[in-house]
Amino acid sequence: DAKTTQPNSMESNEEEPVHLPCNHSTISGTDYIHWYRQLPSQGPEYVIHGLTSNVNNRMASLAIAEDRKSSTLILHRATLRDAAVYYCILRAIIIQGAQKLVFGQGTRLTINP
Amino acid sequence: DAGVTQSPTHLIKTRGQQVTLRCSPKSGHDTVSWYQQALGQGPQFIFQYYEEEERQRGNFPDRFSGHQFPNYSSELNVNALLLGDSALYLCASSWGLVAPYEQYFGPGTRLTVT
Repeated sequence: DAKTTQPNSMESNEEEPVHLPCNHSTISGTDYIHWYRQLPSQGPEYVIHGLTSNVNNRMASLAIAEDRKSSTLILHRATLRDAAVYYCILRAIIIQGAQKLVFGQGTRLTINP
Repeated sequence: DAGVTQSPTHLIKTRGQQVTLRCSPKSGHDTVSWYQQALGQGPQFIFQYYEEEERQRGNFPDRFSGHQFPNYSSELNVNALLLGDSALYLCASSWGLVAPYEQYFGPGTRLTVT
């Protein structure tokens, strides 16, 4: 499984943008980049995913480097509810078709009021 | 529309006992995956079920087994419990196997082994 590297923790202020980086230098051509987050005492929650192009949804934006060796999750205007552990995951489509999520340690994001 | 549900919420067992955890997938989903999350760690993949068959398995011993029923719900069984099995057990559901659709997670079952 290709690995990802994320900072252990980050801190930001409410209503400011947050850029969460992820390095994945060993990514293969068929690996999708997924982001999940886990709020305290809850199961992980899907945030966004992409393959090559930048992606936007109601929760966040995903900026993918041209060589795909890094990506950045962007929260445009952080709220206190965005305080969570954010996981960057490479999701391979394996031969048998079954997909698994390989979680790392993630980035613990703290939002200051 | 109910999301992924898991039961029980909390469970306390003694070393050597057996435990069964249950999961009902989100409506319309046919694939169920199980993960183990130790305190302070990211979730670790246990196995995945589709069409009532185990399709892929993570690095877990045979003490961990599962089942998927015709209504797509699933059970995770752990035999001969060890102290190290204490963790949050998460169930995730998704649709199909091939497309990179997101997985929806339940709130988990907190298992404590004493």
